[in-house]
Parts: sequence; C-alpha cells; structure tokens
Amino acid sequence: GENVEQHPSTLSVQEGDSAVIKCTYSDSASNYFPWYKQELGKRPQLIIDIRSNVGEKKDQRIAVTLNKTAKHFSLHITETQPEDSAVYFCAASKTGNQFYFGTGTSLTVIP
Amino acid sequence: DTGVSQDPRHKITKRGQNVTFRCDPISEHNRLYWYRQTLGQGPEFLTYFQNEAQLEKSRLLSDRFSAERPKGSFSTLEIQRTEQGDSAMYLCASSPPWDSLGSDTQYFGPGTRLTVL
Repeated sequence: GENVEQHPSTLSVQEGDSAVIKCTYSDSASNYFPWYKQELGKRPQLIIDIRSNVGEKKDQRIAVTLNKTAKHFSLHITETQPEDSAVYFCAASKTGNQFYFGTGTSLTVIP
Repeated sequence: DTGVSQDPRHKITKRGQNVTFRCDPISEHNRLYWYRQTLGQGPEFLTYFQNEAQLEKSRLLSDRFSAERPKGSFSTLEIQRTEQGDSAMYLCASSPPWDSLGSDTQYFGPGTRLTVL
C-alpha cells in the first residue's frame, strides 16, 4: 500500500515569514494530494489540493507544488499569521476510495 | 447545521464491551469514509462506502470492527470486545459524487472520542 511521510513534525516561524512542509509518497499511481489543517480539538479541514496533472496550485497565501518524478509534494504558506498555527496533514490517494495521511506537522507562528 | 455530524461525541466504555458510533454525512454525498486518529498521528483509513456498498476496508482493520451504511445515507461503525488500544478519535468524512473536475474533497465530522478503560 501507499506510504506517506511528512516533514518536519514541528515547525516554528516568525509572523510574516514563510513556512514549508514536505511530503513524500511511495505509490506512483497516486494522483490526488490534499492538505488539511486541524486546529486543536477541531476536525481536519481541506485547505488546498492538487492533482497529478498539474505541478503547482496557488490560493492566496497558500500554494502546493508536486514533483511526480521524485514523488514528493510540498505546502507553502507565505506571510504567515498567528491564525495559521495548527497541525497540517498531507494525504495521497489514487482512486478516491482510500486516503493515506502523513503524520502531521505542528506549525507555530510566533507573533 | 448541514455539515457532517457524528454521535456520540464522547464514549467511555470498559474493556470487552461493544460500542457503536453513528455518522450522518452531508446530504447528497454518496461517498463516506471512516478514520481513526490517535494523538500526534494523522487519520488512519478504516473503510469506505460508495452509496451503500462498502468498497474498501483497511487490511489492518481487526475483524472486531464492522461498518454499515444500509440505505446509503447514515453509517454506523461498531467495535466489538473493545480493547484499550482502541482508544482514539473516530472520524467520519463524506464526499460528493466524483465529477468531471475530479473533486475528492472530504468533509470531516467532529469525531467520536472513544476511551476504553
């Protein structure tokens, strides 16, 4: 089955700086890669996703890049704000029937 | 509230007891997923339904776990003979039918926190 690894497990940045979280996957057939944000005690919420037919996708301060050859994808958050502090999870799927999640990155934005 | 709902939100049980959780997906979402999440970990896939059909089940899932979605709407997850290792947050998520844009967005419920004593 698919194996998704996520790094780093914790990340602290100063407000206004950028944050980058990286994930690798093992199954080359995976074609859908969502990112979720989970605040303490709350449910995961989708923040951005990308399909394997594109290399980059951007939504305001958030962007995701995908390198199919290397089988890794990254989340980029620019101009970080304290409300960006949360745990971020990457995931991979090839059929939409089964999703494999990373172990999460706890992001702290220091005011 | 038109989001995914789960019931109960918290469940405390003794080892060996059976428990059942319910998930009500967003209406018209034909795809439904169950996950288990422990502290400091990402959601772990358990099973997937498309309408009433259970199409995927994790190979790691013990036979003490069973899930149903009898009418293609709400779903139940039952754990028989609970063990302390079953203590976790059980999350349900639903997705709309796949469309030409290939939307696989999952909407998560608030979860049921299970504590096995």
